[in-house]
Amino acid sequence: EPEVTQTPSHQVTQMGQEVILRCVPISNHLYFYWYRQILGQKVEFLVSFYNNEISEKSEIFDDQFSVERPDGSNFTLKIRSTKLEDSAMYFCASSEHVFYSFGGYTFGSGTRLTVV
Amino acid sequence: SQQGEEDPQALSIQEGENATMNCSYKTSINNLQWYRQNSGRGLVHLILIRSNEREKHSGRLRVTLDTSKKSSSLLITASRAADTASYFCATDGAQKLVFGQGTRLTINP
Repeated sequence: EPEVTQTPSHQVTQMGQEVILRCVPISNHLYFYWYRQILGQKVEFLVSFYNNEISEKSEIFDDQFSVERPDGSNFTLKIRSTKLEDSAMYFCASSEHVFYSFGGYTFGSGTRLTVV
Repeated sequence: SQQGEEDPQALSIQEGENATMNCSYKTSINNLQWYRQNSGRGLVHLILIRSNEREKHSGRLRVTLDTSKKSSSLLITASRAADTASYFCATDGAQKLVFGQGTRLTINP
């Protein structure tokens, strides 16, 4: 069964450093998303991406965050200057259609980001 | 804003029993989805029910949706130890999902 692949599975970084989280969505999917889950809390929407541009973003997704699809397969989330409160599990997801039309998302296994 | 809220927050049952989890939300939806998350792992899509559907089955899963009460339930029949996980409902909200806090289900052997 097709999977969404995320790398790395765990990243530890110093506060103030830049991190790039990588995702390979399912190949025929057109919509891409990032979500995060702070330990013990809800899964929160960060950003959706379609046709090489951001479709929607949450208030969490401030100027420190950016997304990119640098080639035909990867989808990345960059955090420019990490803060302690950015420590969370970050999930990438993709969907073939705009999700409310047909089906659910396929989520990756997540990258656990620890900012020290 | 739309918000899925599950109850109970935690549920512990014996293997073989049925588990029922409930979800309430605040605004109108196009669909409602249920996901499972094993500890520290990713989210696995279980089932989607559209707003014009009242009940849906998938294997041992049964989902109901009552749009008049803005609520949904997930029933897992004949539970197994492997069903131990957190279960989340998620409502759509214009190109994004809004997740609830989840129900932590523990199946005791």
